[in-house]
Amino acid sequence: AQTVTQSQPEMSVQEAETVTLSCTYDTSESNYYLFWYKQPPSRQMILVIRQEAYKQQNATENRFSVNFQKAAKSFSLKISDSQLGDTAMYFCAFITSGTYKYIFGTGTRLKVLA
Amino acid sequence: DVKVTQSSRYLVKRTGEKVFLECVQDMDHENMFWYRQDPGLGLRLIYFSYDVKMKEKGDIPEGYSVSREKKERFSLILESASTNQTSMYLCATEPGTASYNEQFFGPGTRLTVL
Repeated sequence: AQTVTQSQPEMSVQEAETVTLSCTYDTSESNYYLFWYKQPPSRQMILVIRQEAYKQQNATENRFSVNFQKAAKSFSLKISDSQLGDTAMYFCAFITSGTYKYIFGTGTRLKVLA
Repeated sequence: DVKVTQSSRYLVKRTGEKVFLECVQDMDHENMFWYRQDPGLGLRLIYFSYDVKMKEKGDIPEGYSVSREKKERFSLILESASTNQTSMYLCATEPGTASYNEQFFGPGTRLTVL
């Protein structure tokens, strides 16, 4: 079965510091897509960053970057210069090409402290 | 901007009632999804629709049905609500171009079944 594991249910970080959220996944497929979504308190879930498995280069979006280790099936999210607005639940997800089913992890609740 | 709206933010129903949750999108997306979000379980797919009147079961379809009579509207139906269906329900859409770019989420409906 395809699974996503987020081993850190809760994390906290001081404002302006860097934090890394971990995600591992399991699939036997070679062509897939990985995502990090952010769900702020009482607000809609939005995409943070996306990675195509066939691309070796790690995706970056401003202060957000990933460390994609395909052989280890690891897809961690690094948030640099953390801001109070980064406080949210973060979900890791993936989907294999040719399917419609996204697999989500259980989420990591991140709190940025002033 | 893509807009995904859900008919209610909060809903309280009684056991045995028939419940309708509606999702409407304004971006002509082909694919629409209904997820259930529970603490410690992440997002679980209930149903997926890839076209008008077309649907596929997800991981937890028992006790639910769906309807998609128009492209922009995807309804989730609880035929006879039970207390174990108390949860947050999220609707999502994606273009359906098989590019797996991003899912767009609605604000969610927090359903309580008494």
